[in-house]
Amino acid sequence: GQQVMQIPQYQHVQEGEDFTTYCNSSTTLSNIQWYKQRPGGHPVFLIQLVKSGEVKKQKRLTFQFGEAKKNSSLHITATQTTDVGTYFCAGGRYGGATNKLIFGTGTLLAVQP
Amino acid sequence: DGGITQSPKYLFRKEGQNVTLSCEQNLNHDAMYWYRQDPGQGLRLIYYSQIVNDFQKGDIAEGYSVSREKKESFPLTVTSAQKNPTAFYLCASSIGPSSGGAHEQFFGPGTRLTVL
Repeated sequence: GQQVMQIPQYQHVQEGEDFTTYCNSSTTLSNIQWYKQRPGGHPVFLIQLVKSGEVKKQKRLTFQFGEAKKNSSLHITATQTTDVGTYFCAGGRYGGATNKLIFGTGTLLAVQP
Repeated sequence: DGGITQSPKYLFRKEGQNVTLSCEQNLNHDAMYWYRQDPGQGLRLIYYSQIVNDFQKGDIAEGYSVSREKKESFPLTVTSAQKNPTAFYLCASSIGPSSGGAHEQFFGPGTRLTVL
């Protein structure tokens, strides 16, 4: 079945270092969304990318959608302790009117002050 | 105050008992979803509903049941047939489906179910 894999599963950085998580799908996605889940919390929507090769920025966060619409990345510049949490990508599918998302396995980010 | 509510936050049940988790939204969203999250893992879709009185199985529907009698409510029953029910359960909602692809999902605070 359709899968979305994320790497790494876990990353520990010193505050101020950069961080990147990668998301790969076995099939072409209609769009990609990114969510952040703080420890003990629930996922919160960050952004959606729709176009092939699209790049979006939110302050220190940069999101990319691959040319083939099968992969995506989230890059955080100069991490802060407030960036701690699990980052999930979630892909939308083509075919029919559906809102189903396929969530990636997530990357847990730990930031040491 | 718009949003999604789930109650209770923590729930304990004895093995063999059915238990129903509530999910209510006042966002006027057509679509609602139930996910299961296990420690260190991603979100797995249990059931979803795109419109009132209609729902479909997700990837791990066995041992679960749902109903969608009202737009605002999408309760999930964890039955005794679910072999490993202890998990964190998340409910979400979004605007209705379209051919343009999936929409942003809004999540509730979750219910942590422990079966003893």
